[in-house]
Amino acid sequence: AQKITQTQPGMFVQEKEAVTLDCTYDTSDQSYGLFWYKQPSSGEMIFLIYQGSYDEQNATEGRYSLNFQKARKSANLVISASQLGDSAMYFCAMREINSGYSTLTFGKGTMLLVSP
Amino acid sequence: EPEVTQTPSHQVTQMGQEVILRCVPISNHLYFYWYRQILGQKVEFLVSFYNNEISEKSEIFDDQFSVERPDGSNFTLKIRSTKLEDSAMYFCASSERPNTGELFFGEGSRLTVL
Repeated sequence: AQKITQTQPGMFVQEKEAVTLDCTYDTSDQSYGLFWYKQPSSGEMIFLIYQGSYDEQNATEGRYSLNFQKARKSANLVISASQLGDSAMYFCAMREINSGYSTLTFGKGTMLLVSP
Repeated sequence: EPEVTQTPSHQVTQMGQEVILRCVPISNHLYFYWYRQILGQKVEFLVSFYNNEISEKSEIFDDQFSVERPDGSNFTLKIRSTKLEDSAMYFCASSERPNTGELFFGEGSRLTVL
């Protein structure tokens, strides 16, 4: 079974609109962390946001927020007020504390295209 | 802002040649990683390194791969005898702690094996 599932291969959004990128995860660990990374066409991996499994509040970083629903095992990324520079590949990833603390498991990614 | 730096940004090599990819992690970080991304595919874990030894490795990280921290700043990935399927983007990453918080990636080294 996939540990990280991103069901949207691609998403379109208009500039200044909000967009939600979906991510569901599968783990039996009680302690884990969830990450979102942005990969622009230049190829680098840019850290966006982190949510720990025990964090009671949803993580926010500027225009990025993580809609963490633990019971549903989902960790959707919400980008508010999209900008043209947000066009990139977005990866959801998980780190399971008990199953290998240093390993990040990535989803297949969602390509986001922001139009003017 | 501190960052992870990688060299070279792109290397082209012949099959069977040795390749060394270099990384300078963020200076106060203690945990180092290599990941790779074959074109169009997801990012995959290769190896993690702490206290001058490998702490975890994936099944991809076979005997052809090795890692080293030759001095206080560099962290290297060596591929002894490259194969066509080693063509990928290789990302170095570092973190301050092993099991929580941010993992910072470098910009990647693109390896092309001909």
